[in-house]
Amino acid sequence: GAVVSQHPSWVICKSGTSVKIECRSLDFQATTMFWYRQFPKQSLMLMATSNEGSKATYEQGVEKDKFLINHASLTLSTLTVTSAHPEDSSFYICSASRPAGGSDTQYFGPGTRLTVL
Amino acid sequence: DAKTTQPPSMDCAEGRAANLPCNHSTISGNEYVYWYRQIHSQGPQYIIHGLKNNETNEMASLIITEDRKSSTLILPHATLRDTAVYYCIVRVTGNQFYFGTGTSLTVIP
Repeated sequence: GAVVSQHPSWVICKSGTSVKIECRSLDFQATTMFWYRQFPKQSLMLMATSNEGSKATYEQGVEKDKFLINHASLTLSTLTVTSAHPEDSSFYICSASRPAGGSDTQYFGPGTRLTVL
Repeated sequence: DAKTTQPPSMDCAEGRAANLPCNHSTISGNEYVYWYRQIHSQGPQYIIHGLKNNETNEMASLIITEDRKSSTLILPHATLRDTAVYYCIVRVTGNQFYFGTGTSLTVIP
């Protein structure tokens, strides 16, 4: 199967600090990874598209200077929430794109629960 | 923006088939239909996808109407562990996924 991991699975931090979340594709190479966030009782919201070796593309309304994305290799993308505030508390989920025949599909990580105090 | 419409919730008796509908009336010719599910506090799990032919795998079957404006995900023998939110998504290969609100399926003992 296609396995995507995230680390950490949960994190609690103080307001004003930065938090880094790692997303790894364990058994396949992913040229494209995606970052989502999900608030309670809501659907997933796409934040940004991360391509290996290039700058991430952010969705409208997502602050690129606050949510720093680095895709340094074909198996690793990181999301850094800078100067986190309580309103950044959310469930952050990454996915990695894997070719599948004539199409491709995304495999999702287990998510990271961020709580900012 | 999500281009699909799904009922907000459905119930299904354990052991029976669960049929989850999805409307995607504005689908383009090169857009695939994908189904994922999300169990509480976990990342979405891939179920199945297709372009125009019906598809089946070990988890489910996907039935796409001939005009491709709607589809149905079938879980042949629902179990309690199939209780989850099911998302139907249409997208062109390589493009982003935009999630709608999905269908909350509850399997009842």
